[in-house]
Amino acid sequence: GDSVTQTEGPVTLSEGTSLTVNCSYETKQYPTLFWYVQYPGEGPQLLFKVPKANEKGSNRGFEATYNKEATSFHLQKASVQESDSAVYYCALGDETGGYKVVFGSGTRLLVSP
Amino acid sequence: GPKVLQIPSHQIIDMGQMVTLNCDPVSNHLYFYWYKQILGQQMEFLVNFYNGKVMEKSKLFKDQFSVERPDGSYFTLKIQPTALEDSAVYFCASSRDRQDTQYFGPGTRLLVL
Repeated sequence: GDSVTQTEGPVTLSEGTSLTVNCSYETKQYPTLFWYVQYPGEGPQLLFKVPKANEKGSNRGFEATYNKEATSFHLQKASVQESDSAVYYCALGDETGGYKVVFGSGTRLLVSP
Repeated sequence: GPKVLQIPSHQIIDMGQMVTLNCDPVSNHLYFYWYKQILGQQMEFLVNFYNGKVMEKSKLFKDQFSVERPDGSYFTLKIQPTALEDSAVYFCASSRDRQDTQYFGPGTRLLVL
């Protein structure tokens, strides 16, 4: 079945430094790819999604490009802030059956001031 | 953004008892989902539901699990009887259309003793 693999956390950074969270996926489909963010005590919330290969998604300074050839969807941000501390999930939309989101294991980001 | 509510936020029960987890989805959404996350592990799909019927369920959706949404009220996940391995956080999600963005609730933390 479909699967998603991402950088194992925690990732600890200082404010103002750059972030890359690697994400790779396996599927026989052409899925929509997602980045979700989860804050303590909350459910995952969509950061952005990209439905087509070779397109880029972005939100709040985060961005990722859907690379179909490399089956990757790495999350990047040029300058992180303390408020970015959260768990980030890479995911894909599995269109078989009734449709579902297949999540990676999550990457905890800790940003210190 | 759209909010999904889950009741209760925490539940502790003895093994063998029945438990019902309640989800109040976004008001105009038609597709409903449950996901399970065991502590420290990946979030995994359990079931999706549309027009009063289960569309797809995963192998995690045991015979002891059932879902329903009677008359547009809460979307519920019932476990009867519960087992120790059912201890997890259960996230409800809803979407307007089949492949539309899923919005997640904050989760119900279930502990089976």
